[in-house]
Amino acid sequence: SYELTQPPSVSVSPGQTASITCSGDELGDKYTSWYRQKPGQPPVLVIYQDNKRPSGIPERFSGSNSGNTATLTVSGTQVMDEADYYCQAWDRSNVVFGGGTKLTVL
Amino acid sequence: EVQLMESGGGLVQPGGSLRLSCGGSGFTVTSHFMTWVRQAPGKGLQWVSIIYAGGSTYYADSVKGRFIISRDTSKNTLFLQLNSLRVEDTAVYYCARGSGSTQYDGWFDPWGQGTLVTVSS
Repeated sequence: SYELTQPPSVSVSPGQTASITCSGDELGDKYTSWYRQKPGQPPVLVIYQDNKRPSGIPERFSGSNSGNTATLTVSGTQVMDEADYYCQAWDRSNVVFGGGTKLTVL
Repeated sequence: EVQLMESGGGLVQPGGSLRLSCGGSGFTVTSHFMTWVRQAPGKGLQWVSIIYAGGSTYYADSVKGRFIISRDTSKNTLFLQLNSLRVEDTAVYYCARGSGSTQYDGWFDPWGQGTLVTVSS
């Protein structure tokens, strides 16, 4: 079965840029979405189709996808961005999630 | 406003059954692909099942043969029937609406608040 691999944790200082990676076999040939989840809350879509932002998501969130790696970039990271982030792709008709990355802003 | 609301979770013994519901508002459930995703305590998101607008259904290997996804047009509601429950099925179960032209470029938004299923003796 298809697997997506994320680093368990990423730390960043406020105002700096955070990059969260998601790796999978030929992932660049698939579309990737990203979700943010804060404690006790459901996931929220922050990036879809590799690099599109839903309405209401700040411009500091961006995405890219090439080769075997998709990347979520948070520019000018704010304390409010601290959360778990999950990538998601498709394996034929099935949905696949990465294991999640805890973004710590300190 | 597009919203989803799950219900039906609770405490059940191993081997038991539950039916989860996900009511949609602001859109038609049968016009979108819809999915169930679960999250065990302290763990990550795990995809469970999906139903496409045309009615095709797919399941994660861990629940295949035990869970059944369905929908009711008149109630605008998505369901997940959980049978032969195991301790490892304990999780918060979320429903989410799919968007996109095909399942290969789709995404999920919004998500419901989730309903907790606890399997324990």
